[in-house]
Amino acid sequence: GNSVTQMEGPVTLSEEAFLTINCTYTATGYPSLFWYVQYPGEGLQLLLKATKADDKGSNKGFEATYRKETTSFHLEKGSVQVSDSAVYFCAPVDSGGSNYKLTFGKGTLLTVNP
Amino acid sequence: SQTIHQWPATLVQPVGSPLSLECTVEGTSNPNLYWYRQAAGRGLQLLFYSVGIGQISSEVPQNLSASRPQDRQFILSSKKLLLSDSGFYLCAWSRTGATSGNTIYFGEGSWLTVV
Repeated sequence: GNSVTQMEGPVTLSEEAFLTINCTYTATGYPSLFWYVQYPGEGLQLLLKATKADDKGSNKGFEATYRKETTSFHLEKGSVQVSDSAVYFCAPVDSGGSNYKLTFGKGTLLTVNP
Repeated sequence: SQTIHQWPATLVQPVGSPLSLECTVEGTSNPNLYWYRQAAGRGLQLLFYSVGIGQISSEVPQNLSASRPQDRQFILSSKKLLLSDSGFYLCAWSRTGATSGNTIYFGEGSWLTVV
């Protein structure tokens, strides 16, 4: 099965700072890669995804590039806002037939101060 | 459009009492369904998944069980809760099919506190 190693948090930044959250994975096949975000007290929301090597997923100013050679999918944002404070989860998809199970990282708590 | 709803949103239950969390999906048919748990300070753990009515796969042995009585209904149950069952429970769904890029969509979550 798949596994994922995600940057340990918590991460605390000032508004407009540059953000990087590292994520590396191991997989036997060619997984699709996802970043999910969890705002305080809520469920998870899809932030972005990439389905094949060299694809770049982007949303709300966040970006991540599927790097097959380094098995990484690092999340970046050039200028964070207070509203970006949340927990971020990296997840490769285990595409076993018609059933898809996400293997989640432990999550990285991001706090952005004004 | 598709929606997923789970309830109750929060509950406090005594040790040894039963549990029933319900989840429904609208706007799609024959979805894959999932139950995840997020314990305090930990990541997400897949508990159960289902690819069809009456078909349940368990990922982690425990005192919880799941059932899928209808195509778009997924229920998480316990006969006797333990303190360690406290956590944030998330129902989720994805489309069936052989495309690995299918997204998994999550419900709002249910906070369970066992006292």
